[in-house]
Amino acid sequence: SQTIHQWPATLVQPVGSPLSLECTVEGTSNPNLYWYRQAAGRGLQLLFYSVGIGQISSEVPQNLSASRPQDRQFILSSKKLLLSDSGFYLCAWSPSPNYGYTFGSGTRLTVV
Amino acid sequence: AQKITQTQPGMFVQEKEAVTLDCTYDTSDPSYGLFWYKQPSSGEMIFLIYQGSYDQQNATEGRYSLNFQKARKSANLVISASQLGDSAMYFCAMREGRALGRLYFGRGTQLTVWP
Repeated sequence: SQTIHQWPATLVQPVGSPLSLECTVEGTSNPNLYWYRQAAGRGLQLLFYSVGIGQISSEVPQNLSASRPQDRQFILSSKKLLLSDSGFYLCAWSPSPNYGYTFGSGTRLTVV
Repeated sequence: AQKITQTQPGMFVQEKEAVTLDCTYDTSDPSYGLFWYKQPSSGEMIFLIYQGSYDQQNATEGRYSLNFQKARKSANLVISASQLGDSAMYFCAMREGRALGRLYFGRGTQLTVWP
């Protein structure tokens, strides 16, 4: 069966520090992968999606970036965090564009 | 324009009663899918139910059913026999056929079930 792993679960980082959040999917190949951010009390905002290795599409211009170095690995990064980067980050995958998502357990990031 | 609109920030229901959470959507794509997710306080997103735009019947999954009214572009979630564990945030989402699997989410409805 397919599983999605996301870590860390919580993270407190100072402003200006780098960020790396990792997401991996097991039990499937060539999944579509997504990074979403949820600000407190808000809905989900799509940040990046990827349909294959090295293929990244960005939805919102910001100081975050994403990479997909392997088929089932999706990484969200920042060189210098801002206070506004605080939020709940969710990784998700789907087997094809015609299906919904399975989400990871999320990372709660607080930038201080 | 908002792709998904959830007009109820909060809803309250007594245990064992039914509750309807509203969702309207906006798309010109004839092929689309509608989803409902539950987000408990732990933060995980749990898939509840799916309705395709070409599905003739309303989707049902256990105590969850989707009241799909295509002409009105609404996809309300009905939870029957509410339980205390149903207290959570509920999100409606839509995938458009041309959008490479992207899901558009509403802002959510916080459901509270009281005994």
